[in-house]
Amino acid sequence: KAGVTQTPRYLIKTRGQQVTLSCSPISGHRSVSWYQQTPGQGLQFLFEYFSETQRNKGNFPGRFSGRQFSNSRSEMNVSTLELGDSALYLCASSSAPGGTDTQYFGPGTRLTVL
Amino acid sequence: QKEVEQNSGPLSVPEGAIASLNCTYSDRGSQSFFWYRQYSGKSPELIMFIYSNGDKEDGRFTAQLNKASQYVSLLIRDSQPSDSATYLCAVRRGSTLGRLYFGRGTQLTVWP
Repeated sequence: KAGVTQTPRYLIKTRGQQVTLSCSPISGHRSVSWYQQTPGQGLQFLFEYFSETQRNKGNFPGRFSGRQFSNSRSEMNVSTLELGDSALYLCASSSAPGGTDTQYFGPGTRLTVL
Repeated sequence: QKEVEQNSGPLSVPEGAIASLNCTYSDRGSQSFFWYRQYSGKSPELIMFIYSNGDKEDGRFTAQLNKASQYVSLLIRDSQPSDSATYLCAVRRGSTLGRLYFGRGTQLTVWP
């Protein structure tokens, strides 16, 4: 079974731009969670989607948003990029409702904001 | 108080030794506990999960959970240089399904 895939793997943007990241979960998994990882803050939860509905949201500003499609693929969007948004963005998929099952991570998207 | 705290490390052990990684959590309602391994520049990879008090063994890895003490640990027996990585402890609370709370990680180096 193929794992979680994320595209693109690397991205370089400038301040003020916006970016969209994509995540395809493991086949059959319906829950997708997004995390931001930085050296200073570690892994921080952004939001979680199940059946196209956002179930949980972390403490990030409204510039961070996401959505999930009927095929369980998910996207996250960051608008008006800031230097501090440079990070590894990870998505994780889970088979159980609301992500109660084990979460498996994708390879991540490395975002650099200049 | 942080949700999940890990011994800061770095931890350095010789090949063949037992590496002990520790984690404490603050929410008594936490239900599920996970250990992930993350190599430099890679994404976290699940090693083990544990839900019940006691020990759970999988090959060279043993997870230990003590809910009364709010403590979870990971033992790596016969440590190998390939075990050198950052180990992340993650906790799922009963009230926030779909969200894992992560510790900052412990960097382990196994030297030959």
